[in-house]
Amino acid sequence: QIQLVQSAAEVKQPGASVKVSCKTSGYDFFSHGINWVRQAPGKGLEWVGWISPLSGNTNQALKFFGRVTWSTDTSTTTAYMELKSLTSDDTATYYCARDRDGTDWYNTDFWGQGTLITVSS
Amino acid sequence: DIQMTQSPSSLSGFVGDRVTIICRASEDIENALVWFQQRPGRAPKSLIHSASILQSGVPSRFSGSGSGTDFTLTISSLQPEDFATYYCQQSHRYPPTFGQGTRVEIK
Repeated sequence: QIQLVQSAAEVKQPGASVKVSCKTSGYDFFSHGINWVRQAPGKGLEWVGWISPLSGNTNQALKFFGRVTWSTDTSTTTAYMELKSLTSDDTATYYCARDRDGTDWYNTDFWGQGTLITVSS
Repeated sequence: DIQMTQSPSSLSGFVGDRVTIICRASEDIENALVWFQQRPGRAPKSLIHSASILQSGVPSRFSGSGSGTDFTLTISSLQPEDFATYYCQQSHRYPPTFGQGTRVEIK
């Protein structure tokens, strides 16, 4: 079955970086992009960005430009999101989510379980 | 950015009730709308995409309708497992944006 399994929760200090992984299985990794969405505690959903494992193309919300890096490891069918210069505002659960068919990039179907990133000194 | 506005922000109902959640987009998004359900402490789950197409495995008591700027999610007969927060999201244009959520509680 289709699964997206994310890395464990982390606590980071302000100014640090964090790299979250999303291990996929059960489908053709190259046929679907991966979106990243975050949710601050008690708040709504916010789109962070997207990567295509096939082309390597990426995009992200304007507020994250210059601070986020996307990557994939095709040998392990894993996608990564690295977020730099963390502040307390980045404290959130980060989700990866597969796009439905590889062309409708922001239309997602299967989601990972989420990774809680806490930024605190 | 396209703004997505849901109403109501919360509602309460009895098991068996029919409930409707409204989602409005600030501009025409055709039928590029996704509905999600999120239970406490869990990841969002896709219920409906393209405004009205039920995700595989989702019970038929869920239905979606609308196009352009006005959309609805209807639960025909509330079940105990349906008490959750529901979000709409437009997938029409960058950046994808979400509604603020509608919390469905037990009356």
